[in-house]
Amino acid sequence: SQQGEEDPQALSIQEGENATMNCSYKTSINNLQWYRQNSGRGLVHLILIRSNEREKHSGRLRVTLDTSKKSSSLLITASRAADTASYFCATDAVGGNNRLAFGKGNQVVVIP
Amino acid sequence: KAGVTQTPRYLIKTRGQQVTLSCSPISGHRSVSWYQQTPGQGLQFLFEYFSETQRNKGNFPGRFSGRQFSNSRSEMNVSTLELGDSALYLCASSQGQGRETQYFGPGTRLLVL
Repeated sequence: SQQGEEDPQALSIQEGENATMNCSYKTSINNLQWYRQNSGRGLVHLILIRSNEREKHSGRLRVTLDTSKKSSSLLITASRAADTASYFCATDAVGGNNRLAFGKGNQVVVIP
Repeated sequence: KAGVTQTPRYLIKTRGQQVTLSCSPISGHRSVSWYQQTPGQGLQFLFEYFSETQRNKGNFPGRFSGRQFSNSRSEMNVSTLELGDSALYLCASSQGQGRETQYFGPGTRLLVL
């Protein structure tokens, strides 16, 4: 089954810097979603990008999707300490089993 | 609207026991999905219920089961608990299908001793 894989696995940055993380997947998708999880809590949906979209913005978040490379990136600009969390990508595969496949997560630590 | 709620939040059980976890979806959401999250395996899909029917199932043994009630509330049950069942169990709801945007509850942290 398809699964998103985030890269890099862990990222430590200073407050105010930008954080970029990537997600790769194996098969064609209908959409790709990014979620955030604060320590040991439930996931929060951040943004959804459809296969026919190349870029999407939401506040300080910018997501790109390159279907030819089967990859997506999440950029957090002007990071804050509150952005410290794990970030997951999730894919909805074309012809798949009608459920999201989550990656292993990417831990981001923003140092005040 | 109130968010997804899960009860209990924390649970300690011993091997061989069984446990039932509860999830109340966002009002109007008909799909409820369950996930198991562990440090080693990440987020793994257990099953999805829609209109009281199991619509999708992950690769978990039959000890893991669930159900959904007419008000869309869902329960999952794990029988004959094993140490490896220690995990954060997350419930998520969506309006229609399990591949749409998922709204997660805070999770139930289960520790099996």
